[in-house]
Amino acid sequence: DTAVSQTPKYLVTQMGNDKSIKCEQNLGHDTMYWYKQDSKKFLKIMFSYNNKELIINETVPNRFSPKSPDKAHLNLHINSLELGDSAVYFCASSQDGAGTDTQYFGPGTRLTVL
Amino acid sequence: AQTVTQSQPEMSVQEAETVTLSCTYDTSENNYYLFWYKQPPSRQMILVIRQEAYKQQNATENRFSVNFQKAAKSFSLKISDSQLGDTAMYFCAFSRRNDYKLSFGAGTTVTVRA
Repeated sequence: DTAVSQTPKYLVTQMGNDKSIKCEQNLGHDTMYWYKQDSKKFLKIMFSYNNKELIINETVPNRFSPKSPDKAHLNLHINSLELGDSAVYFCASSQDGAGTDTQYFGPGTRLTVL
Repeated sequence: AQTVTQSQPEMSVQEAETVTLSCTYDTSENNYYLFWYKQPPSRQMILVIRQEAYKQQNATENRFSVNFQKAAKSFSLKISDSQLGDTAMYFCAFSRRNDYKLSFGAGTTVTVRA
């Protein structure tokens, strides 16, 4: 059983389009995250949610809007896609968000904006 | 903000030999958590090992062990008896209580040669 899953795994789209990435975890965790891995492989936090509440929004443009319909899901919607949004986006989850628990990552979504 | 530094962009090791990856971090906190994650070409992020700062004993996980030097703020990873499947990018990461995020180093690409 996949612990943290993301769909789609690959996403190719044109500049200006709107797209969504979905994330689901079946670990019963309380906290979920979105990370962005850029072309140099650097990983940076974008958002953190704890019990469906936004905890961290790390200076991400307003075009990115996360939504957590329940504790097991955290989706990422991106409006008006730009070339610079091309990256790999990782969803992760942990039992709690206090920093004590290991984060488990999804397989990543490679977004390519043309 | 916490910073994590991995000073070795790339390392190469012969199969069955040992390689050590360095990681230093900067924090004024006393209680925090350190991690090594592995990212093989499949791009999946896999936890290798985790260390709690309050524990003096170095963490070990099969062929992977760390040398945690709290005073020096150093957290190196040793891979013993390297295997071809260890070929991957390795990321050092830092977290503290109530952080709700991991702060990553830039990564070290390890290539195991047959």
